[in-house]
Amino acid sequence: QVQLVESGGGLVKPGGSLRLSCAASGFTFSDYYMSWIRQAPGKGLEWVSYISSSGSTIYYADSVKGRFTISRDNAKNSLYLQMNSLRAEDTAVYYCARESGLGGMDVWGQGTTVTVSS
Amino acid sequence: EIVLTQSPDFQSVTPKEKVTITCRASQSIGSSLHWYQQKPDQSPKLLIKYASQSISGVPSRFSGSGSGTDFTLTINSLEAEDAAAYYCHQSSSLPQTFGQGTKVEIK
Repeated sequence: QVQLVESGGGLVKPGGSLRLSCAASGFTFSDYYMSWIRQAPGKGLEWVSYISSSGSTIYYADSVKGRFTISRDNAKNSLYLQMNSLRAEDTAVYYCARESGLGGMDVWGQGTTVTVSS
Repeated sequence: EIVLTQSPDFQSVTPKEKVTITCRASQSIGSSLHWYQQKPDQSPKLLIKYASQSISGVPSRFSGSGSGTDFTLTINSLEAEDAAAYYCHQSSSLPQTFGQGTKVEIK
């Protein structure tokens, strides 16, 4: 079945780094744009970044620009988010999602939790 | 950045009642507005795309309308399983943005 599975979250100190991964299965990963969205504890959804199907087009929210890097490996059906210079306000559940191409994000992973704290 | 403002923030509703949630965009976004449902401890689920287009597998009691800057999500005859947070999302321009969410509680 169509599935996205995130991994790589954890507890990190302010200023530290983490790399999140998102493994895709059940669909042709290389056909789809992909996004990262996060949700701080008890808060709403915040779009973080997206990457085109080939990886040639990338966009970031201002809140993470210069600190986060999105990438993908179509041969491995995987999406990544390299997060550097982490701050307390980056604490959130991070979801990867498939951009349907026909409107909205139609497949979401279960999320991985990132906690930035000393 | 396009700001999406939802109202109300919270709604307590009796089963079988009709629920209406609005989403207002800070500038025109055409029909590039989508709705999601997020139940506690679950990932968001796409409910409606492009303002009014239904999604396969989503119950027909969920419908959307609107264009430009004003949009509405309607839940006809609310069921207990509809207790959730609902978010609007625009894909008209980057950065993509979400509304702050509306929590629907069942009385």
